Amino acid sequence: GEDVEQSLFLSVREGDSSVINCTYTDSSSTYLYWYKQEPGAGLQLLTYIFSNMDMKQDQRLTVLLNKKDKHLSLRIADTQTGDSAIYFCAESNTGNQFYFGTGTSLTVIP
Amino acid sequence: DTAVSQTPKYLVTQMGNDKSIKCEQNLGHDTMYWYKQDSKKFLKIMFSYNNKELIINETVPNRFSPKSPDKAHLNLHINSLELGDSAVYFCASSQVRGGSGTQYFGPGTRLLVL
Repeated sequence: GEDVEQSLFLSVREGDSSVINCTYTDSSSTYLYWYKQEPGAGLQLLTYIFSNMDMKQDQRLTVLLNKKDKHLSLRIADTQTGDSAIYFCAESNTGNQFYFGTGTSLTVIP
Repeated sequence: DTAVSQTPKYLVTQMGNDKSIKCEQNLGHDTMYWYKQDSKKFLKIMFSYNNKELIINETVPNRFSPKSPDKAHLNLHINSLELGDSAVYFCASSQVRGGSGTQYFGPGTRLLVL
């Protein structure tokens, strides 16, 4: 299968910006996604970006896509303690098969 | 209304038993999935069904058998449970034909095999 990689841990102070990075190998990716998983809960879709876009903004979330480098990032502005969770990057090229990253555990320090 | 629901939410059972986990989606999606999330939170796809037909069957023991009675349901039956089967199992659904393919997840079933 395709490789989707993320760093495992990130700590930030409350009020700072968080940037979670993801790299992938499939050059034919159509959609790229960010999911959030809070403790004891399922995966919640945060946002997704179509591969012909460079950037997508949704309130405190900014997604940047560098298709040439196969790099996706999620920036969370004014990070709050409620943002503490695991964030999964995922990519899909057919819709049937998703490839998930290992997840980045974000800890927000008050 | 819950979009993707799973039952049970928690399942504690003895090694060697047979158990089933049920999944239902009311989104009208054509594709459903089962994922396994291990203790390190790594998410691995197990099966995918499109319109009741198996389309993805990753390398999982044949003790795991998915069953899709209709488009809205995908159940997972596990025979002869082993300690290593302890994990969180997530069901998901998506609309592949004519849709974005975005996957929506259920809340998970936490399976503990003793």
